[in-house]
Amino acid sequence: GAVVSQHPSWVICKSGTSVKIECRSLDFQATTMFWYRQFPKQSLMLMATSNEGSKATYEQGVEKDKFLINHASLTLSTLTVTSAHPEDSSFYICSARTSWGPNTEAFFGQGTRLTVV
Amino acid sequence: AQSVTQLGSHVSVSEGALVLLRCNYSSSVPPYLFWYVQYPNQGLQLLLKYTSAATLVKGINGFEAEFKKSETSFHLTKPSAHMSDAAEYFCAVTYTDKLIFGTGTRLQVFP
Repeated sequence: GAVVSQHPSWVICKSGTSVKIECRSLDFQATTMFWYRQFPKQSLMLMATSNEGSKATYEQGVEKDKFLINHASLTLSTLTVTSAHPEDSSFYICSARTSWGPNTEAFFGQGTRLTVV
Repeated sequence: AQSVTQLGSHVSVSEGALVLLRCNYSSSVPPYLFWYVQYPNQGLQLLLKYTSAATLVKGINGFEAEFKKSETSFHLTKPSAHMSDAAEYFCAVTYTDKLIFGTGTRLQVFP
């Protein structure tokens, strides 16, 4: 199957600093990528849909100024957590589809565990 | 809007026993349904998907799921559990181009 690589796999940062997470589709072009957040022992919550060359679409309740998403190329989307605080600590996962259509498989990165101290 | 409900946040079985993880969906249109598995600190891996081609869907690692429209269900089963099946399982439905996940079921397998 297609491969989505996420980096870093874990990061610890100080409160008030910003952290960038990268999501790359290694062997396919992804016009659209998705960013999820997962709290411990909970489900994945969709944060935003990242579209190459345009602004991301954020889900209700997600602060777009805090979670900056950039989809600069067909193989790379980045999520920047700005002015991070302890409550932003979570597991962040990206995904991408190889083609259009709701019945196509979504491939997931391995996730990034963010800890803000 | 589409949604899925997973009954039972935890399921425990003995090795070799039947695995049954429940998922019910709500959809105003014919749904596309998925089951994903997540191992600790990892992303998600697709087990199987329903796309209306067949109601009984076979997936990887011996898992299968049956789409029952009359019951709005898409339960995941495996005849004989293995220790390596211990993980978190998510049922999901597609809403437009987005995947909407259920709350997940943690499967424990005892020797």
